[in-house]
Amino acid sequence: DAGVIQSPRHEVTEMGQEVTLRCKPISGHDYLFWYRQTMMRGLELLIYFNNNVPIDDSGMPEDRFSAKMPNASFSTLKIQPSEPRDSAVYFCASSFYPGELFFGEGSRLTVL
Amino acid sequence: DQQVKQNSPSLSVQEGRISILNCDYTNSMFDYFLWYKKYPAEGPTFLISISSIKDKNEDGRFTVFLNKSAKHLSLHIVPSQPGDSAVYFCTGAGSYQLTFGKGTKLSVIP
Repeated sequence: DAGVIQSPRHEVTEMGQEVTLRCKPISGHDYLFWYRQTMMRGLELLIYFNNNVPIDDSGMPEDRFSAKMPNASFSTLKIQPSEPRDSAVYFCASSFYPGELFFGEGSRLTVL
Repeated sequence: DQQVKQNSPSLSVQEGRISILNCDYTNSMFDYFLWYKKYPAEGPTFLISISSIKDKNEDGRFTVFLNKSAKHLSLHIVPSQPGDSAVYFCTGAGSYQLTFGKGTKLSVIP
């Protein structure tokens, strides 16, 4: 069975551009999480969904960030407009319950 | 405010010896703890967990110890193998959320 699938694996963009990161969770998992990893702050939870409904978005840094989960098999994290300080690795994870998470390979974002 | 602290950013151990990775937490509401392992260019993968009602959990070469009174947990790997070289994240779980430490990079030297 395929794991959590994220795309793109790498994204390089210019400041001000819109960035969309995509995630396909493991089939049957009820929870989906978006994390951001930076050297300074480590792994931070941005938002998580349960049964496609956003439960806690308190980790979303600013209004420039938005996340959606239109169905059980797809989620997006959008940054508009992007800034250099958004450069990080963004991970999507899914689980049956919010404990043992299964992570994707991450999307490395570089904003110039 | 770091609720989960891994004070050693890195650790080097000789192959065959014991690796001990430490973690301190401040949030008394965590009801279980997990360790994740991460290789470069990959996502973290679950390694081992422990409920807050236990003080030890063992899985093969990996053992996690929990000292609730000290708010401290540790991961023991014995014997250490070169394939164990990775970043290890300590995680506290509560209120349907995981809080990760910043990780400890373990290097096992052949």
